[in-house]
Amino acid sequence: QVQLVESGGGVIQPGRSLRLSCAASGFTFSNYGMCWVRQAPGKGLEWVTLTWYDGSNKFYADSVKGRFTVSRDNSKNTLYLQMNSLRAEDTAVYYCAKTMGSSYFEAIDYWGHGTLVTVSS
Amino acid sequence: DIQMTQSPSTLSASVGDRVTITCRASQTISTWLAWYQQKPGKAPILLIYKASRVESGVPSRFSGSGSGTEFTLTISSLQPGDFATYYCQQYDNYPYTFGQGTKLEI
Repeated sequence: QVQLVESGGGVIQPGRSLRLSCAASGFTFSNYGMCWVRQAPGKGLEWVTLTWYDGSNKFYADSVKGRFTVSRDNSKNTLYLQMNSLRAEDTAVYYCAKTMGSSYFEAIDYWGHGTLVTVSS
Repeated sequence: DIQMTQSPSTLSASVGDRVTITCRASQTISTWLAWYQQKPGKAPILLIYKASRVESGVPSRFSGSGSGTEFTLTISSLQPGDFATYYCQQYDNYPYTFGQGTKLEI
């Protein structure tokens, strides 16, 4: 069965950097687009970023563009999110999610359990 | 960016009721729309994709319809486990965007 396990969350000071990881199993990771979605405490879902199956294309929400970088290592079945210049408003549960296909026009069909990032001094 | 607007934001209903949630897109998205259910403290789960296709394993009381800019999620007969928050999401254009959510409460 599909499993997505996030790690790397924690408490971090504003302006610092943090890298999240997502270990995938139960499917052929290199065939699917992957994304990160976040949810601030008590708020709704916010799509953050998506990478195509081969990492050739990456897309970002305006709120994180230039600060966050998504990457993947298909040899390790792992997705990453490098978060720089963190702000208080980046505080959220970050979900790793698998899309239904490799590139365009694909919904999310599986989600991890999420990892909490708290940006606070 | 495409804005997704759900209505209502909160919906009170009873077990056995038929309920409908609406999602409107700020520009046409064809049928590139998904619906998710989220319960407190849990990750979302996919209910509907491509506006009307029911994900495998999802009960048949859930259905979706619409195209272009207006979409609906219908639950034909509410069960106790259906009380949750529902989100629509467009995946026609990057950045993909979610609606603000509809909380379905007893």
